Amino acid sequence: EPEVTQTPSHQVTQMGQEVILRCVPISNHLYFYWYRQILGQKVEFLVSFYNNEISEKSEIFDDQFSVERPDGSNFTLKIRSTKLEDSAMYFCASSEANQAVQYFGPGTRLTVL
Amino acid sequence: RKEVEQDPGPFNVPEGATVAFNCTYSNSASQSFFWYRQDCRKEPKLLMSVYSSGNEDGRFTAQLNRASQYISLLIRDSKLSDSATYLCVVNMILEGGSYIPTFGRGTSLIVHP
Repeated sequence: EPEVTQTPSHQVTQMGQEVILRCVPISNHLYFYWYRQILGQKVEFLVSFYNNEISEKSEIFDDQFSVERPDGSNFTLKIRSTKLEDSAMYFCASSEANQAVQYFGPGTRLTVL
Repeated sequence: RKEVEQDPGPFNVPEGATVAFNCTYSNSASQSFFWYRQDCRKEPKLLMSVYSSGNEDGRFTAQLNRASQYISLLIRDSKLSDSATYLCVVNMILEGGSYIPTFGRGTSLIVHP
């Protein structure tokens, strides 16, 4: 069964550093998403991406964040100048169609020290 | 503010019990609804989509009440393996027709022997 994959599973970084979180969506999916989940809190939408551009983004997704689909398989989330409060689990998801079921990757746990 | 509300629980039930969760949403224009389950420190996994006419998948039944803006999940004959957090997800429609997938905080279910 096809699945969404994410790397790394755990990323530790120093405050102020830049990190890139990587995702490989399911191959025939066209819609891609990033979410974050701070420990003990709910899953929060960051951004959706379709046809090589951002469809929607939340208030959280400010200039510190960017997304890219650098090739036909990867979908990345870049966080510049990380802050302590960026520590969270970051999930990538993909779906086949607009508003369809989303399939989540296993997540990247980001720890900012 | 567009919200999805759930009773956090925990619901503590014996094996074999029937348990029901509700979820309310604020945006009456919302069109797509889902239940996911999330195990501790894992990614959300689709349990079932929720259709207007209601739908059933084995021991699980989902209902949508558009007039009252809530969805429900009924679990019959609870198993120990049903212990998890159940997430209500609503695609909140924005002005212009785009949407943001919005998660509830989740309802914790503990099934005990």
